[in-house]
Amino acid sequence: DQQVKQNSPSLSVQEGRISILNCDYTNSMFDYFLWYKKYPAEGPTFLISISSIKDKNEDGRFTVFLNKSAKHLSLHIVPSQPGDSAVYFCAAKTFGNEKLTFGTGTRLTIIP
Amino acid sequence: KAGVTQTPRYLIKTRGQQVTLSCSPISGHRSVSWYQQTPGQGLQFLFEYFSETQRNKGNFPGRFSGRQFSNSRSEMNVSTLELGDSALYLCASGRSNDEQFFGPGTRLTVL
Repeated sequence: DQQVKQNSPSLSVQEGRISILNCDYTNSMFDYFLWYKKYPAEGPTFLISISSIKDKNEDGRFTVFLNKSAKHLSLHIVPSQPGDSAVYFCAAKTFGNEKLTFGTGTRLTIIP
Repeated sequence: KAGVTQTPRYLIKTRGQQVTLSCSPISGHRSVSWYQQTPGQGLQFLFEYFSETQRNKGNFPGRFSGRQFSNSRSEMNVSTLELGDSALYLCASGRSNDEQFFGPGTRLTVL
């Protein structure tokens, strides 16, 4: 049962444009969401998070939007840079439980 | 501030052997979690320790076990290794109800 889904396995975006990565979840108990960036054979790097009491969180070039009614979140990267090319995972958890449930990842390729 | 460290980074074992992986969390972090990443199953939660107690466990067989020491360092053990245990094993540390930060992982190959 895949409780966190990233339906796009890959995404290509021109350098300087906006990258939008999407994530859907089915478990309504999830109340904290995180985005990680990962290079092959390395550990995931934390990017940004959002609590369910918010619908938007910004950090530099990264913005995460949360739509609780649709059980959907998205990560916007503006402007996209070549160094952003990596696999992006969304993850979710519930308050008081440190277990992260991960999506399957989206491979983002930034085209120079 | 030093990040999460994991040792060893690479390991090759044969079927039937056992292996112990080590994780040192970020200073001040008392929660340590372990994850397995494989191409077929993605990132799967193994277990989480807090103050030397296992607080949560994923759906893995009993061959997978762990422990945490008083300094928050954690070890993970896999006994009777199977070919399917070949994976990247990741450790993450954090404060409760906060972001988790991952180490570089241990690449285990079972032959």
